[in-house]
Amino acid sequence: ILNVEQSPQSLHVQEGDSTNFTCSFPSSNFYALHWYRWETAKSPEALFVMTLNGDEKKKGRISATLNTKEGYSYLYIKGSQPEDSATYLCASPTSGTYKYIFGTGTRLKVLA
Amino acid sequence: DAGVIQSPRHEVTEMGQEVTLRCKPISGHDYLFWYRQTMMRGLELLIYFNNNVPIDDSGMPEDRFSAKMPNASFSTLKIQPSEPRDSAVYFCASTYGSYNEQFFGPGTRLTVL
Repeated sequence: ILNVEQSPQSLHVQEGDSTNFTCSFPSSNFYALHWYRWETAKSPEALFVMTLNGDEKKKGRISATLNTKEGYSYLYIKGSQPEDSATYLCASPTSGTYKYIFGTGTRLKVLA
Repeated sequence: DAGVIQSPRHEVTEMGQEVTLRCKPISGHDYLFWYRQTMMRGLELLIYFNNNVPIDDSGMPEDRFSAKMPNASFSTLKIQPSEPRDSAVYFCASTYGSYNEQFFGPGTRLTVL
């Protein structure tokens, strides 16, 4: 993988459903993986910064895991609420630099 | 702290005009990033600074784009001359130290007619 890729591109879930999405990144010379939440008409806000293989982070109903050896991270949302509707971005810096490559995001819509 | 401040929030200009976007990072942050967001390419890094020094400008699309950071509390992104394809939202972000979370400004929505 030469780029940061996210799937799915978009997702509609019902309120109360749990959901997850994937970020794939280059596994060689890994330094960090960021997750951001981006609401419409606002700017991205950081959710998690992950650096170690096997990292698991949690903030309320949202959690993330990291596998640096295979180059992927999962973001989980438990019991989705309409206010979770946003685009979720991941980003990773290219080897040895602070040049962050962002994925195209997963657009989540939680239906009430 | 007021967070990252960008101005103007919206800019509408005509093709060929010079456009200057401004950013004030969070006090104490030593990295500043300029991003451009478009439907086609998503969020892409244009340039970043460390301690006011440009480190990587490989994302700057062409010579019409230039960025400066004369001091720790101010940066500009200039487009001269502007073209319709430059229409996008431009974000500035700052952070402190190695690989920490970035704090984004509200963005400048640029429309070039």
